[in-house]
Amino acid sequence: NAGVTQTPKFQVLKTGQSMTLQCAQDMNHNSMYWYRQDPGMGLRLIYYSASEGTTDKGEVPNGYNVSRLNKREFSLRLESAAPSQTSVYFCASISNEQFFGPGTRLTVL
Amino acid sequence: DAKTTQPPSMDCAEGRAANLPCNHSTISGNEYVYWYRQIHSQGPQYIIHGLKNNETNEMASLIITEDRKSSTLILPHATLRDTAVYYCIVRALHGSSNTGKLIFGQGTTLQVKP
Repeated sequence: NAGVTQTPKFQVLKTGQSMTLQCAQDMNHNSMYWYRQDPGMGLRLIYYSASEGTTDKGEVPNGYNVSRLNKREFSLRLESAAPSQTSVYFCASISNEQFFGPGTRLTVL
Repeated sequence: DAKTTQPPSMDCAEGRAANLPCNHSTISGNEYVYWYRQIHSQGPQYIIHGLKNNETNEMASLIITEDRKSSTLILPHATLRDTAVYYCIVRALHGSSNTGKLIFGQGTTLQVKP
């Protein structure tokens, strides 16, 4: 039981490049979430998926797209990265308790 | 989702109880109180949650006032490894369009000192 896994752990992009952050959980949870955390700040919700096949915007969705590929996987895509998207990205899998992944540290130059 | 208010920082002596307060005066009847902590730059860690009764687990105790407008997380014997940012969140679990959504505030930075 690996819990929540995220790939990659670190990434450096140039402005305008695209990339997809991957998240997978093996706990058979319905709900999955993507957060970003800027230095010295709390977590802000980007998108969430209450169940397979559904996605909803969170607090800061602009510049991102998501895909709930199946019950296990929830990916976050940056189509055209901007320096303002430099952050640590956390994926979470949620039922009555919540499990967070280790994070992806993204730098956009 | 109801908002929460927490002090930005607190200190606690190692071995003593750490009592972290949280105000949630606009909490709804179907919203639970959740506590998480984040150590350094790791992902947040679930601690405990409750609806109206006091709760205890191996990590902490949660005391919720009778009117449910505030709560206190208690770490009975704080250690240096408990130094972290502690988040108090209210969240509906059932029968709400906001079911499951977790909105984090700024939290309380707890510094446990030797």
